[in-house]
Amino acid sequence: DQQVKQNSPSLSVQEGRISILNCDYTNSMFDYFLWYKKYPAEGPTFLISISSIKDKNEDGRFTVFLNKSAKHLSLHIVPSQPGDSAVYFCAALSNFGNEKLTFGTGTRLTIIP
Amino acid sequence: DTGVSQDPRHKITKRGQNVTFRCDPISEHNRLYWYRQTLGQGPEFLTYFQNEAQLEKSRLLSDRFSAERPKGSFSTLEIQRTEQGDSAMYLCASSLGTGHYGYTFGSGTRLTVV
Repeated sequence: DQQVKQNSPSLSVQEGRISILNCDYTNSMFDYFLWYKKYPAEGPTFLISISSIKDKNEDGRFTVFLNKSAKHLSLHIVPSQPGDSAVYFCAALSNFGNEKLTFGTGTRLTIIP
Repeated sequence: DTGVSQDPRHKITKRGQNVTFRCDPISEHNRLYWYRQTLGQGPEFLTYFQNEAQLEKSRLLSDRFSAERPKGSFSTLEIQRTEQGDSAMYLCASSLGTGHYGYTFGSGTRLTVV
């Protein structure tokens, strides 16, 4: 039972354009949603999070949007830079779940110079 | 702050052998997590410590797996009688208080069982 889904295994975007990564979830008990970035041979690095009581959170070039009714969130990166090429994981947690994260399967983002 | 350290980075073992991994969290972090990641998948939760207490174990953690965090500092994850299906990246993470703002992962230990 995949509670967090990232349906696009890969995405290619031209440098300077907007990258949009999508994530869907099924568990209504999730309270927070997070995005992690992962380079090869490294652990995931936290990027940005959003509480379920908000619909948008912004940090520099990164913005996360949450649509609770659709159980959908997205990460926007603008402008995209070559260093953004990595695997991006969507994750969710519940206040009743001992803070454990449930991850999606990831989307490999490639920024084309 | 040297981040979360994991040792070894790579481990190749024969089926049936026991292996032990170590994780050193960020020193002031009271929460420590173990995750496992296989090819093409996201990390999957294994177990969680708050200080020295192991508060939750995933059903993925069979009886062959055991984790400890003596004195609430470093943690070890032991796998007994390894099987080929145990081949994966084992990730450790730590946080201070709530994980709402993300926790810090180590670089992982890649286990290959041959």
